Amino acid sequence: EAGVTQFPSHSVIEKGQTVTLRCDPISGHDNLYWYRRVMGKEIKFLLHFVKESKQDESGMPNNRFLAERTGGTYSTLKVQPAELEDSGVYFCASSPTGTANTEAFFGQGTRLTVV
Amino acid sequence: GQSLEQPSEVTAVEGAIVQINCTYQTSGFYGLSWYQQHDGGAPTFLSYNALDGLEETGRFSSFLSRSDSYGYLLLQELQMKDSASYFCAVFTGGGNKLTFGTGTQLKVEL
Repeated sequence: EAGVTQFPSHSVIEKGQTVTLRCDPISGHDNLYWYRRVMGKEIKFLLHFVKESKQDESGMPNNRFLAERTGGTYSTLKVQPAELEDSGVYFCASSPTGTANTEAFFGQGTRLTVV
Repeated sequence: GQSLEQPSEVTAVEGAIVQINCTYQTSGFYGLSWYQQHDGGAPTFLSYNALDGLEETGRFSSFLSRSDSYGYLLLQELQMKDSASYFCAVFTGGGNKLTFGTGTQLKVEL
């Protein structure tokens, strides 16, 4: 079974440009999370989908960030316009719901560099 | 909100035992998890404790005390490859939101 996949693995863009990150969760996982790790610091929560619904987006930094999960399958995270402080590694994770939810499975991340 | 505190750095020698502590303040606690992350890699799941006590998985063990809002990860027979960041994490919000601690950078030396 395929794990969580993220695309692209790396992205270098100029300040002011737009970037869209994609995450394909494990099939059947209703929960999908986006996280960001900046400069080796904490893994900061961005938002949480349950199927196609945003359950919690309290971690989204500002309205330059837009996440979608149409159809409850893959998700995209768009940054528009990108700023220097948006640089970091963006991780996506998925997990099942209910009593089976003891582990989140992470993708390899997208390393975003804004120059 | 949720907060999980860990020491920022721990250094130990190869073959030693090290304990990484995690204290948490959360609402609707469902369980404490531990994840390992090597530089440039994805966080990978190590363990999960829903009940008080010690869970052992090979060289790694994890402990939870719900009454003290405290847990720890114990790593035995340290190897160089154990050098990584270790994060505690909790499921809250009905058991489906995963929030991470501040992370501990473990350095294993010869």
